[in-house]
Amino acid sequence: DADVTQTPRNRITKTGKRIMLECSQTKGHDRMYWYRQDPGLGLRLIYYSFDVKDINKGEISDGYSVSRQAQAKFSLSLESAIPNQTALYFCATSDSTSGSGRTDTQYFGPGTRLTVL
Amino acid sequence: GDSVTQMEGPVTLSEEAFLTINCTYTATGYPSLFWYVQYPGEGLQLLLKATKADDKGSNKGFEATYRKETTSFHLEKGSVQVSDSAVYFCALRGDYKLSFGAGTTVTVRA
Repeated sequence: DADVTQTPRNRITKTGKRIMLECSQTKGHDRMYWYRQDPGLGLRLIYYSFDVKDINKGEISDGYSVSRQAQAKFSLSLESAIPNQTALYFCATSDSTSGSGRTDTQYFGPGTRLTVL
Repeated sequence: GDSVTQMEGPVTLSEEAFLTINCTYTATGYPSLFWYVQYPGEGLQLLLKATKADDKGSNKGFEATYRKETTSFHLEKGSVQVSDSAVYFCALRGDYKLSFGAGTTVTVRA
């Protein structure tokens, strides 16, 4: 079984709808991240969480919110989806005990392809 | 702020050819450097990493050396296979996040 899972894998929705993307991990890691991937732009960080009570905005958090329900679960919500949020979304995890903040390795889920019409 | 610039693709090669993908970075402090690979329809997988200057990361025949003097982390493989066809991302680990390059699409033909 995959260590980092994301649901759904694909989603098509309409402008103005509320959408939730879910991420679960069995790696026992304390840190979790949400990224979006757009062609030609690489991946950009939306939100990150270093533990259940710690939530931080990334570089492109506008229009998104997150919830860290447990150490193993980190959800991303689009309160009112718009077409320019069409992208591939990735969840990632890392283990703070594996190294300092600059050396811990991030492990990625398979991604959710979201299309907003 | 931190940033990563990698060579634009796409890159098309024949099997057994030499592959190099250039990556340069701008960062404050002493970042760690990574190469991730994304196979079609899949998430990103760590390919290799280096955490300090002059470190060489290697995996699956790929190598990259952390060059602080040229702020570079170029990826190389001496003899590519069709199974190496993928998108390759160079990334820099700053204080709390990874900063990614735009990705380079590599296609290897039999």
